[in-house]
Amino acid sequence: DQQVKQNSPSLSVQEGRISILNCDYTNSMFDYFLWYKKYPAEGPTFLISISSIKDKNEDGRFTVFLNKSAKHLSLHIVPSQPGDSAVYFCAASSLATSGTYKYIFGTGTRLKVLA
Amino acid sequence: NAGVTQTPKFQVLKTGQSMTLQCAQDMNHEYMSWYRQDPGMGLRLIHYSVGAGITDQGEVPNGYNVSRSTTEDFPLRLLSAAPSQTSVYFCASRPGTSLYNEQFFGPGTRLTVL
Repeated sequence: DQQVKQNSPSLSVQEGRISILNCDYTNSMFDYFLWYKKYPAEGPTFLISISSIKDKNEDGRFTVFLNKSAKHLSLHIVPSQPGDSAVYFCAASSLATSGTYKYIFGTGTRLKVLA
Repeated sequence: NAGVTQTPKFQVLKTGQSMTLQCAQDMNHEYMSWYRQDPGMGLRLIHYSVGAGITDQGEVPNGYNVSRSTTEDFPLRLLSAAPSQTSVYFCASRPGTSLYNEQFFGPGTRLTVL
């Protein structure tokens, strides 16, 4: 049962345009969400996060929007650059029975920015 | 700081063989974890540790063992490799176990089981 879903396996966008990556989740107890970026042959790197008490967080060209009622978040990249071409993973923080927080990841969306 | 390091980068095993994937971090992080990445499945948590001597199971722990004797090291053991364990394995660490900690990943180990 996939608790964090990224329904678009891939996305192509023209350089300079907006990229919108989507993520849906099923567990209403998730209260912190993150986006990670992954280049081939490298480990994922942290990009941006948002707490459930906010509906928007911005960092430079990257903005994450959270709609709690719809259990949906999205990552906007404006303007998109060829260097943004990577796989993007959405993750949600979940409280484990041990009392610690662990991350549940989505399946990833491969973004290709065309020059 | 080297961050999170993993060895080896690549490994090919035969079914039934055993091996240990090494992971080390030099950031004095309490929390360490192992993930596997498979096509269409994203990153799935195998095991995690909240400190030396403390480990717990993640989403897909079967076939894997872990131990945490020091803060720095968190090896992942495959006791009897199976083709279903062919995957890319990532080790990660973060400073603590609270909600708002960024997680740092190693470069990964690509494992093929024949």
